[in-house]
Amino acid sequence: DQQVKQNSPSLSVQEGRISILNCDYTNSMFDYFLWYKKYPAEGPTFLISISSIKDKNEDGRFTVFLNKSAKHLSLHIVPSQPGDSAVYFCAASARGGADGLTFGKGTHLIIQP
Amino acid sequence: DAGITQSPRHKVTETGTPVTLRCHQTENHRYMYWYRQDPGHGLRLIHYSYGVKDTDKGEVSDGYSVSRSKTEDFLLTLESATSSQTSVYFCAISESGGTGKETQYFGPGTRLLVL
Repeated sequence: DQQVKQNSPSLSVQEGRISILNCDYTNSMFDYFLWYKKYPAEGPTFLISISSIKDKNEDGRFTVFLNKSAKHLSLHIVPSQPGDSAVYFCAASARGGADGLTFGKGTHLIIQP
Repeated sequence: DAGITQSPRHKVTETGTPVTLRCHQTENHRYMYWYRQDPGHGLRLIHYSYGVKDTDKGEVSDGYSVSRSKTEDFLLTLESATSSQTSVYFCAISESGGTGKETQYFGPGTRLLVL
């Protein structure tokens, strides 16, 4: 039973446009959500996070939106750049993350020149 | 970047042999985690530690054991390696399990091949 779902295995976006990556979750105990970016042969790199008490968090070109009633979050990247091409993982935690993170399967973002 | 190293970075071993992977941190963070990443599965938690000598099981703990005798080191042992344990293993650390400090930072990974 997958508790964090990223239903798009891949996404292709033109350079300069907006990239929108989506994530759905089923566990209502999740209270903290994170996005990680991963390049091949490297570890995941923390990108941005959001607490369940907020509905939006922004950091430069990256914005995460949380819709608790729909159990849905999204990551917006504006404008998209070639270096953004990577696999993006959505992750969630409960109980302050003490039990570890639950990850989605990832979305491979490809930025086209 | 968080000071996390993993050793070895690559290992090839044979079925039935024990294997130990090491994670070392220089951040003095309390929590440490081991994940594995496989195609089609994202990252899955194997074991984690919330302090020296304090560990607990994650989602996919069968066939693995861990030890933490010092804050900075977290060891993952495959007691008798099987081909299904061929994977990329990532260590992660976090400052605490408290609200606002759940962000985990990952090491570079260890690629393990069990023949």
